[in-house]
Amino acid sequence: GAGVSQSPSNKVTEKGKDVELRCDPISGHTALYWYRQSLGQGLEFLIYFQGNSAPDKSGLPSDRFSAERTGGSVSTLTIQRTQQEDSAVYLCASSLMAHAPQETQYFGPGTRLLVL
Amino acid sequence: AQSVTQLGSHVSVSEGALVLLRCNYSSSVPPYLFWYVQYPNQGLQLLLKYTSAATLVKGINGFEAEFKKSETSFHLTKPSAHMSDAAEYFCASRRAGGTSYGKLTFGQGTILTVHP
Repeated sequence: GAGVSQSPSNKVTEKGKDVELRCDPISGHTALYWYRQSLGQGLEFLIYFQGNSAPDKSGLPSDRFSAERTGGSVSTLTIQRTQQEDSAVYLCASSLMAHAPQETQYFGPGTRLLVL
Repeated sequence: AQSVTQLGSHVSVSEGALVLLRCNYSSSVPPYLFWYVQYPNQGLQLLLKYTSAATLVKGINGFEAEFKKSETSFHLTKPSAHMSDAAEYFCASRRAGGTSYGKLTFGQGTILTVHP
């Protein structure tokens, strides 16, 4: 079956611009997660959704970052007024449900963001 | 707070040799533990996971890991390395309960190089 998909695969933007990253989870998965992978910080959790609600936003690095999920499916991560330190690979994952910690999180290929 | 430590950012082995990638976790309650592999420009793929059912866990591609509570370790092994095993490996933990149990906490990663 289809896995987690993310778009765009690569994004180059200028400092100060806003960007939107999209994630399509595996069909039927109610939980969706965003992570960031960068050279200096490794793999960091950003936010997760159970359905359309976000019980844990603790990883969002600043108020320039926001995410939403509508219809319990697609999620969008928005970064406003991008900065060079936002350059990273943004990974999305999904699982059947968030309230079962033994559940596997399946990852998408990521969006590689470069802020010039 | 949870943390995961991977000893050795780079490991190099000969083809056919034993692979040992080390992971230690820090948690007052044994968490759920995962090993993921990442090939260049790809997302993360689950190798195996510990969910308290058995301390020795077998995964894909001939990998296995043993959960040792007394050592707070979850080292990844493979008896005989193959060239195709060259990748970056991440150990991750997830809380068994409480708040913020949705997220994975990752180690810094270990790059495995396999030489002929």
